[in-house]
Amino acid sequence: QSALTQPASVSGSPGQSITISCTGTSSDVGAYNFVSWYQQRPGKAPKLILYDVSNRPSGVSNRFSGSKSGNTASLTISGLQGEDEADYYCCSYTSSSIPYVFGTGTQVTVL
Amino acid sequence: QVQLQESGPGLVRPSETLSLTCTVSGGSFNNNYWTWIRQTPGKGLEWIAYIYYTGSTKYNPSLKSRVSISLDTSRSQFSLNLRSVTAADTAKYYCTRGGGWWEDWGQGTLVTVSS
Repeated sequence: QSALTQPASVSGSPGQSITISCTGTSSDVGAYNFVSWYQQRPGKAPKLILYDVSNRPSGVSNRFSGSKSGNTASLTISGLQGEDEADYYCCSYTSSSIPYVFGTGTQVTVL
Repeated sequence: QVQLQESGPGLVRPSETLSLTCTVSGGSFNNNYWTWIRQTPGKGLEWIAYIYYTGSTKYNPSLKSRVSISLDTSRSQFSLNLRSVTAADTAKYYCTRGGGWWEDWGQGTLVTVSS
């Protein structure tokens, strides 16, 4: 089972919107609405920001939104802020022998 | 919100067993999945295993022959054992709560495999 594919880096200016893609296959992202997203700041544990493609846990800013089309899930950060600088990872349930596969990770830079 | 804290040795010799414990506070073991995830610079995040509060388990097949996970509800702890470690098992190990997504995480513990 290969890792889900994410762009290595995405950048944007404060106030802009950016989108991070997460591309899998018909055995994972394309097959299930069980995609989650995590934000990880340096030296910290990942933080859940979306689950089941587009649901936000309590306390997570509504500037984070998610969607899915075919084998690709997307995370959009609206109104980009300096505090959004972090690494972002997607994760999907998969029908393979490994039930969960993570993305390769995307570093977000606020210019 | 549940708090989780990993504990265990930071250095393990090659071919030996890596043993980590996660202590849970502020919540119940019941009706929860308890999961271990690790992170390496090279391979990123990797799901290792989970244990349901009933004791049922599921393992990453790539580690299945070497890994076991157990639960001690009386101590509010769950544990990970990884046998016959190599340098490739050097990683930051996280304990988490959840089965399909993970909202509560420990701070992580760095385990280095080296002689």
